[in-house]
Amino acid sequence: DAGITQSPRHKVTETGTPVTLRCHQTENHRYMYWYRQDPGHGLRLIHYSYGVKDTDKGEVSDGYSVSRSKTEDFLLTLESATSSQTSVYFCAISESEQGQPQHFGDGTRLSIL
Amino acid sequence: GQNIDQPTEMTATEGAIVQINCTYQTSGFNGLFWYQQHAGEAPTFLSYNVLDGLEEKGRFSSFLSRSKGYSYLLLKELQMKDSASYLCAVINSNYQLIWGAGTKLIIKP
Repeated sequence: DAGITQSPRHKVTETGTPVTLRCHQTENHRYMYWYRQDPGHGLRLIHYSYGVKDTDKGEVSDGYSVSRSKTEDFLLTLESATSSQTSVYFCAISESEQGQPQHFGDGTRLSIL
Repeated sequence: GQNIDQPTEMTATEGAIVQINCTYQTSGFNGLFWYQQHAGEAPTFLSYNVLDGLEEKGRFSSFLSRSKGYSYLLLKELQMKDSASYLCAVINSNYQLIWGAGTKLIIKP
């Protein structure tokens, strides 16, 4: 299994508070991704990174920011959490975007009350 | 727009064969993935198709027709542990991965 660790695994917080989710990999893969998964929707890309300090927006990036200061770590921040951001968040990694599969972390279940 | 269509839910019997279809309309095509996702768990990679035809991996096979924008995942000798959601995803011309909403497969004894 790919070495991907997400933390925390579960979090409950209140509207308006900042939240940071961490993804750590031990595979030295170049590409890292943050997705959210909600019932009735496919996985939706929030942000992705193609190298240290190189990031770009996905289809649902509003209200989220990311940082990648080291190859192994990719942080997702909700600056001011809203109830619509209650979801399951998955981090994924891949060696390249051309034909290489993405491998997923175990996910973070985030509830915003 | 870009979209991927899969049936929402399918039911099959243990020991039988089931085919899960995926049709896609994307801006270009650079490959198609199938993933399995058990409830409450992460998606795991099953198969990759980039050329037309059938790829076989044990009990699972995946087929691609690029001209028809169509793929299917074939599961043989179904086991109860195959109860899961199956996700189809397409790499478009910008190397973005477009995901379907997934097909929930229920296996009955």
